[in-house]
Amino acid sequence: RKEVEQDPGPFNVPEGATVAFNCTYSNSASQSFFWYRQDCRKEPKLLMSVYSSGNEDGRFTAQLNRASQYISLLIRDSKLSDSATYLCVVNVNTGFQKLVFGTGTRLLVSP
Amino acid sequence: GAVVSQHPSWVICKSGTSVKIECRSLDFQATTMFWYRQFPKQSLMLMATSNEGSKATYEQGVEKDKFLINHASLTLSTLTVTSAHPEDSSFYICSASEGLFTEAFFGQGTRLTVV
Repeated sequence: RKEVEQDPGPFNVPEGATVAFNCTYSNSASQSFFWYRQDCRKEPKLLMSVYSSGNEDGRFTAQLNRASQYISLLIRDSKLSDSATYLCVVNVNTGFQKLVFGTGTRLLVSP
Repeated sequence: GAVVSQHPSWVICKSGTSVKIECRSLDFQATTMFWYRQFPKQSLMLMATSNEGSKATYEQGVEKDKFLINHASLTLSTLTVTSAHPEDSSFYICSASEGLFTEAFFGQGTRLTVV
């Protein structure tokens, strides 16, 4: 089983739609969680950290469920500029720090 | 966000030569640096994790003698691809983290082409 799993998509949605991505992780010792965004042929950029209490940043809401070991990202009122690959990232404590990426979920927002 | 600079952004080299890639954290001290490789249309694959002043920890299947990682200071890590071959052609990208389990910031990546 992969350490971090995501549906690769693509998710095709119209502008203004709400879209949600899920991610599951296998290591219960995982310490911290993040969502990154990667545009084609570019480096990943931090979108937001994910906290147990859930957190929101504008149109983006992230949630963490430790019991079920999954993380979610909700995007409201999708914009064309939201088209990208969204990467779920888990920082695992294996005796040392290890940052593991999911395969990413591709989002395509159309006019 | 914090700035991580990776150099060079692209390199073309002949088969059998070695290539060194540098990763610098410009405005913070990076206790941990991560090196990834990404093939076209595939996900980022972690190659190794390095902590300043200690040996890197390599992921299974990554040859430590081929991919030499040095993390000599809190602001610099290097990846040397030794005796490069065409199958090593890929996008190599580093990231740096300031503290334990904090977010990591990425360099711009290096596109390596071995001919």
